[in-house]
Amino acid sequence: AQRVTQPEKLLSVFKGAPVELKCNYSYSGSPELFWYVQYSRQRLQLLLRHISRESIKGFTADLNKGETSFHLKKPFAQEEDSAMYYCALRGFSGGYNKLIFGAGTRLAVHP
Amino acid sequence: DAGVTQSPTHLIKTRGQQVTLRCSPKSGHDTVSWYQQALGQGPQFIFQYYEEEERQRGNFPDRFSGHQFPNYSSELNVNALLLGDSALYLCASSLNLVGEQYFGPGTSLTVT
Repeated sequence: AQRVTQPEKLLSVFKGAPVELKCNYSYSGSPELFWYVQYSRQRLQLLLRHISRESIKGFTADLNKGETSFHLKKPFAQEEDSAMYYCALRGFSGGYNKLIFGAGTRLAVHP
Repeated sequence: DAGVTQSPTHLIKTRGQQVTLRCSPKSGHDTVSWYQQALGQGPQFIFQYYEEEERQRGNFPDRFSGHQFPNYSSELNVNALLLGDSALYLCASSLNLVGEQYFGPGTSLTVT
């Protein structure tokens, strides 16, 4: 079964501290993994995808196929990073562009 | 470009009624996907429309149906509403079936 698990509902850190938002997935093929972010009173938006291997707003994420993980990391958290973060998977068996989301992790960065 | 727009913003319905939600895709996009987001959960895929046809469907009953118009806009219809249908309904558009999905602000549906 296709599944995305985000084990933490809330992650609370102080400004300048490192951040790691965990994401584990279950998929039999080769999925495409994404991180979406939703800032307060804004719509859901794409933060980054694993195939791009890029850093967005200081965030990076590496796909670890052995551990089936796609954790989101940032070395120094900023207050403006406070938001809801969703990990999502897109599989290509039987269809296209069907995103499967985790339950989300709320990141709270305190001054 | 206003991006993906959805209407209405909020909606309150009574159990057993029917509801129609509307979505206009981002300019240049031709594919629309619908998601249901229950409180405290991530979005859950309902179905996807491309070339005015339903191309994929998630694990939702037939009470959930949709339509895509020639201008690529879309409607989500839910019949015989249940209390459990209360959720935020998100629309996402993309350029073709594999393009990046851009989300709308959502329609909040409350069933009483």
